[in-house]
Amino acid sequence: EVHLVESGGGLVQPGGSLRLSCAASGFTFKNYWMGWVRQAPGKGLEWLANIKQDGSEKYYVDSVKGRFTISRDNAKNSLYLQMNSLRAEDTAVYYCARAWSYSSGWFDYWGQGTLVTVSS
Amino acid sequence: DIQMTQSPSSLSASVGDRVTITCRASQGIRTELSWLQQKPGKAPKRLIYAVSSLESGVPSRFSGSGSGTEFTLTISSLQPEDFATYYCLHHHSYPLTFGQGTKLEIK
Repeated sequence: EVHLVESGGGLVQPGGSLRLSCAASGFTFKNYWMGWVRQAPGKGLEWLANIKQDGSEKYYVDSVKGRFTISRDNAKNSLYLQMNSLRAEDTAVYYCARAWSYSSGWFDYWGQGTLVTVSS
Repeated sequence: DIQMTQSPSSLSASVGDRVTITCRASQGIRTELSWLQQKPGKAPKRLIYAVSSLESGVPSRFSGSGSGTEFTLTISSLQPEDFATYYCLHHHSYPLTFGQGTKLEIK
């Protein structure tokens, strides 16, 4: 069974940094694109970033480009999101998702989310 | 960037009703569209991929159709567990974008 478990969320001051992790199990992690999606309180879903199976390609939404970095460690079956220069508007639940493979399509499995609160 | 305009933003319906939610893309996205369901406090769940392919385990009362720029999600006979928020997602090109969501409430 596929499991994605996010961790690393919490309260951080504006301008601060935080690193989110996503532990994957139940599938061959290295065969899938992976991604991050967030949801501000009471708002809709916003795609943030995707990373290719080997980490050689990364894509970001403009609102986080230059501040957030997606990465992965296939040996540890883990996905990461390094978030720098955090702003109040980055407050959201952050979801890790299995982004794509040829056989499964897009965003078929999601983690339960981790809450990031940016506030002084 | 491709914008996804989803309508309505909210919908009040009764058990047994047939409901339709629409997503319009600002440019053609072929069949590169999924529909997701989200219940309060839970992660999104994919219902439909590639416009009309039903996710395994999803009831057949859910269906998707469309191509190009206009897409619909139809629930043929609403059940109590279907009251949730629904999102479309295009994955035609980067950046990927979701529709604004449709909150389906009990009348």
